[in-house]
Amino acid sequence: QKEVEQNSGPLSVPEGAIASLNCTYSDRGSQSFFWYRQYSGKSPELIMSIYSNGDKEDGRFTAQLNKASQYVSLLIRDSQPSDSATYLCAVMATHAGKSTFGDGTTLTVKP
Amino acid sequence: KAGVTQTPRYLIKTRGQQVTLSCSPISGHRSVSWYQQTPGQGLQFLFEYFSETQRNKGNFPGRFSGRQFSNSRSEMNVSTLELGDSALYLCASSYTTGAPGPLETQYFGPGTRLLVL
Repeated sequence: QKEVEQNSGPLSVPEGAIASLNCTYSDRGSQSFFWYRQYSGKSPELIMSIYSNGDKEDGRFTAQLNKASQYVSLLIRDSQPSDSATYLCAVMATHAGKSTFGDGTTLTVKP
Repeated sequence: KAGVTQTPRYLIKTRGQQVTLSCSPISGHRSVSWYQQTPGQGLQFLFEYFSETQRNKGNFPGRFSGRQFSNSRSEMNVSTLELGDSALYLCASSYTTGAPGPLETQYFGPGTRLLVL
C-alpha cells in the first residue's frame, strides 16, 4: 500500500463544474496536508494547506480533512480551463522537511 | 519576496560523470529539501537540511549527497551518474518550527532538469 494514494485519473470536467480530488494516507501521525498544482513541465505550486479537521476555503478551492478516516480532498468550484493540470496531494508527518506525495491526479477542464 | 531559485535549469551529462545542483531558498527560510521527480516514480524525497545539518534522508543511494551553507543555500551532488538519474530535481524551502502549521509549508523552485546520456 502506498503511503499517499490519490484517485486515479485522468479526471475530466466541463467548464463551470465542480472538480473533486481525493487523497488517502496511511500514517496516522500525519499532521500537515497540502495540495499542489503542477502544470506540464513546471514545478509544483501550492494551492492549499490544511492542518485540522474540517473544511478550509480559499476562493474557488476548498480543502477538506478527516483525520479519523485519513482522508483529504480538494474541491474546485467553477472549474476553468486554466485549472487543467496535475494535482498533487502531499502529507507531512515528522515536520523534518519531508513531504510524502501521491502520484497526482490529472484534471482536464473542457471549455 | 523572491521565490526559491535553482541553477542550472537544464543539464546534460553522460554516465559516470558527477553533477552539482544549487538551490537558494526564500529569504528567511531555514529548511531546504530536495526531491526527485520522474514519470515512473513520481516525487521522491531525497533529503532535508536545516541549519547546515541533514535532518532527514530518503531512500536513495550514497551517490546522492548534499550540504547546506550558513546562508541556507544548499547544493546537491550526484556522483557516478546513471541513466536512471535523469529526472527533474526540485528544491523546496520552508521556514519550519517543527510544529504543524503554515510555517512548515514547502515552496518549490523551478527545478533542474537533468538528462543523463
